[in-house]
Amino acid sequence: NAGVTQTPKFQVLKTGQSMTLQCAQDMNHEYMSWYRQDPGMGLRLIHYSVGAGITDQGEVPNGYNVSRSTTEDFPLRLLSAAPSQTSVYFCASSEGQVHQPQHFGDGTRLSIL
Amino acid sequence: AQKVTQAQTEISVVEKEDVTLDCVYETRDTTYYLFWYKQPPSGELVFLIRRNSFDEQNEISGRYSWNFQKSTSSFNFTITASQVVDSAVYFCALRGSARQLTFGSGTQLTVLP
Repeated sequence: NAGVTQTPKFQVLKTGQSMTLQCAQDMNHEYMSWYRQDPGMGLRLIHYSVGAGITDQGEVPNGYNVSRSTTEDFPLRLLSAAPSQTSVYFCASSEGQVHQPQHFGDGTRLSIL
Repeated sequence: AQKVTQAQTEISVVEKEDVTLDCVYETRDTTYYLFWYKQPPSGELVFLIRRNSFDEQNEISGRYSWNFQKSTSSFNFTITASQVVDSAVYFCALRGSARQLTFGSGTQLTVLP
């Protein structure tokens, strides 16, 4: 049981480049989300999805796009990378009920030069 | 809007000391869930415990214990007889009716041998 899988683990981009961070879960979870972790700020919600075909913005959505075409996959796209997007990105999934804890991937460390 | 505050940025203790990590939250929801996660130096996020807003019973699990007080909007975490392996960043988080998980900024715990 792989849980939540994020790829790549590390990435260096130049300003203005685009890329997609991949996230896949094999637990048939309805709810998936993306967070970024910056020093001293905890984890902040970027986008989330309550099911296939449904996405919504979190606290810090600017500069990021998401889609949810299947239950399993929830990719995060950076259309034009900026140095302010240098961060560690975590994908998480959970069953839909509020009380269910989220399961996190191992994170993607992204540096924008 | 909901908010989680972890006022202690860093705590350092000597092995075998007890240590308490503070968490204060704000929410307008009457039904909500509180969580603690651990992030060891390896970087993954590990779920530790969940508490719902209607259950103020304190919980003990081995060397870990949690004190939930609704009257003060606090959900504190105590490690008894700390060990070097407890060194990590600990996050308190809140999930309400909107199902979004809001994290505190985290407390870096260092246990010295």
